[in-house]
Amino acid sequence: AQSVTQLGSHVSVSEGALVLLRCNYSSSVPPYLFWYVQYPNQGLQLLLKYTTGATLVKGINGFEAEFKKSETSFHLTKPSAHMSDAAEYFCAVIINTNAGKSTFGDGTTLTVKP
Amino acid sequence: DTAVSQTPKYLVTQMGNDKSIKCEQNLGHDTMYWYKQDSKKFLKIMFSYNNKELIINETVPNRFSPKSPDKAHLNLHINSLELGDSAVYFCASRLDRVNSPLHFGNGTRLTVT
Repeated sequence: AQSVTQLGSHVSVSEGALVLLRCNYSSSVPPYLFWYVQYPNQGLQLLLKYTTGATLVKGINGFEAEFKKSETSFHLTKPSAHMSDAAEYFCAVIINTNAGKSTFGDGTTLTVKP
Repeated sequence: DTAVSQTPKYLVTQMGNDKSIKCEQNLGHDTMYWYKQDSKKFLKIMFSYNNKELIINETVPNRFSPKSPDKAHLNLHINSLELGDSAVYFCASRLDRVNSPLHFGNGTRLTVT
């Protein structure tokens, strides 16, 4: 079985501050990990993904995430928050033996204060 | 534009009615999905089709019936709508590779009164 936990349903940062959104996963086999962003009244868009290889992955809009197997984590970071980053962020995991079924975390709402 | 498109964007209806939501993707993907997002933004998979064949069928009431006429289309029909069906329904698609991401439509907001 696979599961995803996003710590902190709401994160608030000031514009220009570091963004850190936490994601931990549980999987008995090597997982494929994704971060998606959802802007108001829109569908989810892929920010970045980890499949194999380099554990630090870069995505769109200046976001990056690091896969840490020992900590079963895939936290999302951005050095400097912008007002346009305010959105809902979802971490998701797929494992090879599950018909391509993505399991999503409960989401984290990011608020950026001016 | 290459995309996943679903219609309608908004659907307001009364309890007991039957309604359908349509989804089309022109990305050439093999697999399509329906997800339900509730008022707390939680996402839950409902169904998945691969090349017109049902491969994932989560615990969803029988009132929900997906139909895939071809691999580019996946429609969702809901019978006897209930208040608890109010949610945003997202269609998504992906290539049939385990590391491929999902591509989502913009959602259909269903309100049952």
